[in-house]
Amino acid sequence: EAGVVQSPRYKIIEKKQPVAFWCNPISGHNTLYWYRQNLGQGPELLIRYENEEAVDDSQLPKDRFSAERLKGVDSTLKIQPAELGDSAVYLCASSPRVSSYNEQFFGPGTRLTVL
Amino acid sequence: DAKTTQPNSMESNEEEPVHLPCNHSTISGTDYIHWYRQLPSQGPEYVIHGLTSNVNNRMASLAIAEDRKSSTLILHRATLRDAAVYYCILNAGGTSYGKLTFGQGTILTVHP
Repeated sequence: EAGVVQSPRYKIIEKKQPVAFWCNPISGHNTLYWYRQNLGQGPELLIRYENEEAVDDSQLPKDRFSAERLKGVDSTLKIQPAELGDSAVYLCASSPRVSSYNEQFFGPGTRLTVL
Repeated sequence: DAKTTQPNSMESNEEEPVHLPCNHSTISGTDYIHWYRQLPSQGPEYVIHGLTSNVNNRMASLAIAEDRKSSTLILHRATLRDAAVYYCILNAGGTSYGKLTFGQGTILTVHP
């Protein structure tokens, strides 16, 4: 079974440039998550989708970050414009359905460097 | 959200058991205790979870205190591949279903 796929794996951009990350969850998983992980810290949830609906985006900086999950499968996370502080690893995860005991399956992440 | 407290780092020798502690004194009755680990340059990986009873799977065992205010992840025979950051997380119910709040975790070093 294929795992969560993310691309690109690495991205280097200059500040004020836009950037986008793509995630393909495990087939059949209705719930999709985007996390950000700063160096030396644990991942922090940015947004959670149930099918195509964003049900928790309280931690998403909405002035520059946006996300979409068209058709309830693939998802894209965008930053426009990027700032130096956005340098981090962006992780995508999926689970069959949300509950307090469902495990989440994480992708390898996209490492973003903003110069 | 209820918080967890873990040691910053621990060390072990290969093929020896490892006990990773976690304190969660403010846990609520519906919080599941989850453990994830993150190997270098990879996303976190589910290890085990439990509610009240001790749990075993192919990767590890989870021992939960009777009052649920602490738990211990047990790796029965550590290998070099077990070197990772281990996160103890409380997965809440209600409107926070599915929300994993990661702390800084415990960095486990395994010596050959």
